[in-house]
Amino acid sequence: EAGVAQSPRYKIIEKRQSVAFWCNPISGHATLYWYQQILGQGPKLLIQFQNNGVVDDSQLPKDRFSAERLKGVDSTLKIQPAKLEDSAVYLCASSPYPPGTGGRMGNTIYFGEGSWLTVV
Amino acid sequence: AQKVTQAQTEISVVEKEDVTLDCVYETRDTTYYLFWYKQPPSGELVFLIRRNSFDEQNEISGRYSWNFQKSTSSFNFTITASQVVDSAVYFCALSEAPMGRRALTFGSGTRLQVQP
Repeated sequence: EAGVAQSPRYKIIEKRQSVAFWCNPISGHATLYWYQQILGQGPKLLIQFQNNGVVDDSQLPKDRFSAERLKGVDSTLKIQPAKLEDSAVYLCASSPYPPGTGGRMGNTIYFGEGSWLTVV
Repeated sequence: AQKVTQAQTEISVVEKEDVTLDCVYETRDTTYYLFWYKQPPSGELVFLIRRNSFDEQNEISGRYSWNFQKSTSSFNFTITASQVVDSAVYFCALSEAPMGRRALTFGSGTRLQVQP
């Protein structure tokens, strides 16, 4: 079974430029997450989708970050304009159910390898 | 609000030593889920285990074991006879709300270095 796919793996941009990251979740997974992981810290949730609807975007800096999940499959995360503090790894994850439901392993959340962003 | 604390920033051991990674959590929910993930240098978070709040039975999987104690709000992870391949950052995480409104909240991670 293919895992969560993300691209690009690495991106370097100048501040005030824009960038977009793409995520293809595991086939059939209804829930998709974007996390931001700053170096030396644990991942922090940016946005959670259930199919193509937003479940939680309370920690998404909406003045510069946007995300969409058209047709309930692939998702795109955009940053415009980027700031130096946006340098981080952007992790996409998916799960077959919302957290807390399903069988013992059914709601495990699977992560992609991440997109590493450096803003200079 | 939910919170996960991993007080150990970095641990260094010599191969074949046992090592325990600590995790303490805070939550107001009576139903919640605890996780451990491994993050090797490649960056991908690898799922290790999920535990329900109503199941305090400890679990062993090969060289890995987990000790869940609700009385102390702890979910510690032990690696027996550590190997160099165990070197990675390990994250403990918590998910509240069985209705799926909350995603994972992660601790800050513990970097484990296993020296040959």
